[in-house]
Amino acid sequence: AAGVIQSPRHLIKEKRETATLKCYPIPRHDTVYWYQQGPGQDPQFLISFYEKMQSDKGSIPDRFSAQQFSDYHSELNMSSLELGDSALYFCASSLGRIAYEQYFGPGTRLTVT
Amino acid sequence: AQSVTQLDSQVPVFEEAPVELRCNYSSSVSVYLFWYVQYPNQGLQLLLKYLSGSTLVKGINGFEAEFNKSQTSFHLRKPSVHISDTAEYFCAVSDQSTSYDKVIFGPGTSLSVIP
Repeated sequence: AAGVIQSPRHLIKEKRETATLKCYPIPRHDTVYWYQQGPGQDPQFLISFYEKMQSDKGSIPDRFSAQQFSDYHSELNMSSLELGDSALYFCASSLGRIAYEQYFGPGTRLTVT
Repeated sequence: AQSVTQLDSQVPVFEEAPVELRCNYSSSVSVYLFWYVQYPNQGLQLLLKYLSGSTLVKGINGFEAEFNKSQTSFHLRKPSVHISDTAEYFCAVSDQSTSYDKVIFGPGTSLSVIP
């Protein structure tokens, strides 16, 4: 069965650079969630989208923005990167904003040097 | 506001021994509860979930958890662990206050199975 796809899987950036992470949900899923997991930390909810509109917002820094496109894929844009942004970024998808039925992607590991 | 506590940050256990990973949640409304497993350098995989009905929930890989509303707990158990169970385990909650639109994770418990 098709799963959530995230690209790239690994990304190395320098401080003050920008990064774009992409998430392709399971086919027919219309809701996407983004999480950030720092080293040794639990996943922290960043933001979610339902039918291309922002659904909920968590602890997402102002330097980050995200959107969901007409094909339901989502992109997380991160600017002015800081060392503390180094983390594993997960995307999850579900059908109809049902967070308890969300499926997680493998994550993108971002390293800021 | 909903929150999750996992009292044990690390749990070492010998192979074939039983294990219990503890999880307590804080919520004043109806909840859904989850356990996720994260193997090294991998994503999150759902082990099991409680939405309603029987308080004893069986999941994959021989794990089970019991929802105890009076104690606001959702402890994860396995009667006999394998080396391959070595991983990070996250308890998570979603509740009615957010229309079940958000999942909040606990800090995680690192299970190490000793040969």
